[in-house]
Amino acid sequence: DQQVKQNSPSLSVQEGRISILNCDYTNSMFDYFLWYKKYPAEGPTFLISISSIKDKNEDGRFTVFLNKSAKHLSLHIVPSQPGDSAVYFCAASAWGYGGSQGNLIFGKGTKLSVKP
Amino acid sequence: DSGVTQTPKHLITATGQRVTLRCSPRSGDLSVYWYQQSLDQGLQFLIQYYNGEERAKGNILERFSAQQFPDLHSELNLSSLELGDSALYFCASSPPQGGWETQYFGPGTRLLVL
Repeated sequence: DQQVKQNSPSLSVQEGRISILNCDYTNSMFDYFLWYKKYPAEGPTFLISISSIKDKNEDGRFTVFLNKSAKHLSLHIVPSQPGDSAVYFCAASAWGYGGSQGNLIFGKGTKLSVKP
Repeated sequence: DSGVTQTPKHLITATGQRVTLRCSPRSGDLSVYWYQQSLDQGLQFLIQYYNGEERAKGNILERFSAQQFPDLHSELNLSSLELGDSALYFCASSPPQGGWETQYFGPGTRLLVL
């Protein structure tokens, strides 16, 4: 059973517009959420994170929103640029969950294409 | 560049064989994590080491094992390889404190079992 779900396998957006990537989770023990970006033939690159005590975190063009009651988070990219085209992974963690020390549970990713 | 290095970059081998993947964490990081990314799958956590000791296990097969050495580099050993073991294997590391939540990934090792 997938604990972190990214229901949209792909998203296409025009350059300059907003990209919104969504992620849902099922485990209420998760208390830290991250977004990673991955280009082909490279490892995932950390993008932005949010703790469960917050509902929003901003870093430049990237904003992550967390709705704990809905167990939903989203990544907003404004304005979108062609260089943002990549696969975006949502991940969640919980200190001590299942005896772990912070290992990440990943969604399957959303492929974002930003068209010029 | 995340600062995490992985070797080799590509590996082609046959079923039944054994391979070793190597990872060097970022300077100062004590935790090393191994993940597997199969076709159409997200990244699956395999195992974590912290300063030489195993800390957590995920979906790691009994045919797979890992260790972290005193210099903090880690090796993932995959034995009795099967076709289904073909995947990307990523190593990640994280700081010992004040940022343990964020993991930094290496470029991965692409394993192809024929």
